[in-house]
Amino acid sequence: GAGVSQSPSNKVTEKGKDVELRCDPISGHTALYWYRQSLGQGLEFLIYFQGNSAPDKSGLPSDRFSAERTGGSVSTLTIQRTQQEDSAVYLCASSLQGARTEAFFGQGTRLTVV
Amino acid sequence: RKEVEQDPGPFNVPEGATVAFNCTYSNSASQSFFWYRQDCRKEPKLLMSVYSSGNEDGRFTAQLNRASQYISLLIRDSKLSDSATYLCVVRGGQSGGSNYKLTFGKGTLLTVNP
Repeated sequence: GAGVSQSPSNKVTEKGKDVELRCDPISGHTALYWYRQSLGQGLEFLIYFQGNSAPDKSGLPSDRFSAERTGGSVSTLTIQRTQQEDSAVYLCASSLQGARTEAFFGQGTRLTVV
Repeated sequence: RKEVEQDPGPFNVPEGATVAFNCTYSNSASQSFFWYRQDCRKEPKLLMSVYSSGNEDGRFTAQLNRASQYISLLIRDSKLSDSATYLCVVRGGQSGGSNYKLTFGKGTLLTVNP
């Protein structure tokens, strides 16, 4: 079975451009998370989707960031008018519903804003 | 106070040493607890869940003290392959019973030397 798939694996974009990052979770996983990790830093929570519930957007750093999850499966994280400080690895994870379930991560998208 | 705090490290130990990682969390309503491992430039992967009674998996022992809001990980007889960043992870406790957001500590880097 496939794991969590993220695309692209690497993205270089010019400052001011919009980017879309895609996450394909493990089939059947109702929970989906987005994090970002800057070089040498910890994981910063961005947004969490759980089934049909309203997403927890408390970690989105600004209104330039948005995410959606269509049909309870694939998710897209969009960053508008990218800035250099947006450069990081964006990690997606998915899990079954429940407090004790394991979250599986994709390999991430490395975003570089030049 | 940060939601999840870990020893800042880094830890450098010789092969065969015993090493302990400590973690504290601020939300007393947190529901579940984990240790993840992240190798350099890779995604995090689950090392073990942490149960109230404490649990052991081979050379790894995890402990949880809910009263003190403290989690620990002990690695005995450390191997070169244990070199990685160890992430303390706490789940849930946000408003809404079905919010199982994962919150990560910044991680502690372990290097095991020959």
